[in-house]
Amino acid sequence: ELKVEQNPLFLSMQEGKNYTIYCNYSTTSDRLYWYRQDPGKSLESLFVLLSNGAVKQEGRLMASLDTKARLSTLHITAAVHDLSATYFCAVDYAGTYKYIFGTGTRLKVLA
Amino acid sequence: DAGVIQSPRHEVTEMGQEVTLRCKPISGHDYLFWYRQTMMRGLELLIYFNNNVPIDDSGMPEDRFSAKMPNASFSTLKIQPSEPRDSAVYFCASSPRGRGGNQPQHFGDGTRLSIL
Repeated sequence: ELKVEQNPLFLSMQEGKNYTIYCNYSTTSDRLYWYRQDPGKSLESLFVLLSNGAVKQEGRLMASLDTKARLSTLHITAAVHDLSATYFCAVDYAGTYKYIFGTGTRLKVLA
Repeated sequence: DAGVIQSPRHEVTEMGQEVTLRCKPISGHDYLFWYRQTMMRGLELLIYFNNNVPIDDSGMPEDRFSAKMPNASFSTLKIQPSEPRDSAVYFCASSPRGRGGNQPQHFGDGTRLSIL
């Protein structure tokens, strides 16, 4: 059974600081997705990572995938308040298009 | 593109009543997914369809839950009879087949369900 774990679960950080969210998964997969969810809202796709060593960047966010370590990271550079949200990683189960979601990381950026 | 459309946005009903949630996927998407989100259990996949055919319903909690996709543009999730523990936000998502998974799932705005 595929398990996806994120850490930390909660993250409070000051504006301007850097931090990394980690996503570990338990079985082999080379398809990983990052989503953002604002309170009471839907999930918004951020990144699609499809191979070992894949790196994607958008603004202050950068995501990477290491399939051998079964690890993805979401790095935040010089955080701003607008990045406050919950971030989820999701792993495609055995190429079935079925996603298993991580627990989510609730990020709060303090002004 | 209109995105994934769910209705109703909010539903409040009493225990024992039948609840029907509706979803219109993005046109041209082959896959449709139903999820449930709660604080305790996070995001759980309930069932998903490919070309209107249910592929995996192992996440459906019990026989009180059923889902149908009569055509490519419409799906329903039904709970009968409803119980307070079914209270959650239910999301519908859709995705095209894509190449090697390069197209992510697109989520609707969700239905916030409260069973009293």
